[in-house]
Amino acid sequence: NAGVTQTPKFQVLKTGQSMTLQCAQDMNHNSMYWYRQDPGMGLRLIYYSASEGTTDKGEVPNGYNVSRLNKREFSLRLESAAPSQTSVYFCASGISQGALQPQHFGDGTRLSIL
Amino acid sequence: AQRVTQPEKLLSVFKGAPVELKCNYSYSGSPELFWYVQYSRQRLQLLLRHISRESIKGFTADLNKGETSFHLKKPFAQEEDSAMYYCALSGGAQKLVFGQGTRLTINP
Repeated sequence: NAGVTQTPKFQVLKTGQSMTLQCAQDMNHNSMYWYRQDPGMGLRLIYYSASEGTTDKGEVPNGYNVSRLNKREFSLRLESAAPSQTSVYFCASGISQGALQPQHFGDGTRLSIL
Repeated sequence: AQRVTQPEKLLSVFKGAPVELKCNYSYSGSPELFWYVQYSRQRLQLLLRHISRESIKGFTADLNKGETSFHLKKPFAQEEDSAMYYCALSGGAQKLVFGQGTRLTINP
């Protein structure tokens, strides 16, 4: 049981390049989330999907797009990478019926934009 | 607006000493509060949530609505407690707001 799996684990991009970060969960969770983690800023929500077929902006959505491909998969796309998007990106999943249940996190993707 | 503040970026205590990681929140309704922990080279994972009222790895946290706080406490720190700790708030929507995190170091 892998839980939440993110690919790739590391990536270096040049400014202006595009990239898609992949996330898959095998826990049959209906909600999925993308966060970025920056020193001194904690985790900030980029986008989330409360259920298959829906996506919503979080705190810092600019420069990103997401796709909830099916119940298992939720991808994050950078269309034109900028140095300010250098960060560690975490995907998470959870159950969102009634009270919010704890989220399960992936290992993270360390992304550097040169 | 929902906000979580962890005033200490870094906290260092000696093994066996008490530990308190502070968390204050801003939310007008009834919050659900969580503490998450990230050990070195491991995934972020749930440590405890206020509605469970349980003690995990010796840690407890009490929700104080009057002071809008959810401080994490442990009476006797252990070296394996060294990690990054995040306080998080859910204010009704199906998402979390995280604090900035506190890096706890336990010195031998």
